Amino acid sequence: NAGVTQTPKFQVLKTGQSMTLQCAQDMNHEYMSWYRQDPGMGLRLIHYSVGAGITDQGEVPNGYNVSRSTTEDFPLRLLSAAPSQTSVYFCASSYNQGGGYTFGSGTRLTVV
Amino acid sequence: AQSVTQLDSQVPVFEEAPVELRCNYSSSVSVYLFWYVQYPNQGLQLLLKYLSGSTLVKGINGFEAEFNKSQTSFHLRKPSVHISDTAEYFCAVSDLQGAQKLVFGQGTRLTINP
Repeated sequence: NAGVTQTPKFQVLKTGQSMTLQCAQDMNHEYMSWYRQDPGMGLRLIHYSVGAGITDQGEVPNGYNVSRSTTEDFPLRLLSAAPSQTSVYFCASSYNQGGGYTFGSGTRLTVV
Repeated sequence: AQSVTQLDSQVPVFEEAPVELRCNYSSSVSVYLFWYVQYPNQGLQLLLKYLSGSTLVKGINGFEAEFNKSQTSFHLRKPSVHISDTAEYFCAVSDLQGAQKLVFGQGTRLTINP
């Protein structure tokens, strides 16, 4: 039981490049979310999903796209990377409302 | 919409001393409340949660928190800390309908001195 797996762990992008952060969970959780963590700001919700085929925007969605074609996978796409997207990104999943999220170990992204 | 304020950005304490990490929230509706811990270079781990019922909630690693609806607070406590408790702690809130949308506080860095 691997939990929530994020890849890659580290990434450096040039401004304007695109990339996809991968997230997979093997717990059959319906709820999945992407957060970004910046110093002194806690974690902020980017996008979330309540099941396969259903996604919605969080607090800071601009510059990011998501899709959820399967229960297991929830990739986050950066369309055109900007230095402001330098951050640590966390994927998380939950079985139900109020269950509490299981977090991945994060992807540290630097945009230069 | 909900918001969370963690009143201390850093809390230094001596080993075996008690500690309290403060969290206040704002919401116009009933909420779920959570505390997460983040060890260096790791993801977040759920410490405890309040959904309903008893206002005193016990979690892992000897931590507990008390929900106070009148003061809109959810402070985290431990009677005796260890060096291994050094980490960043996050308070989070969600409303009952949008529980998949957690709103986090800014975090409190707990440093344990020998």
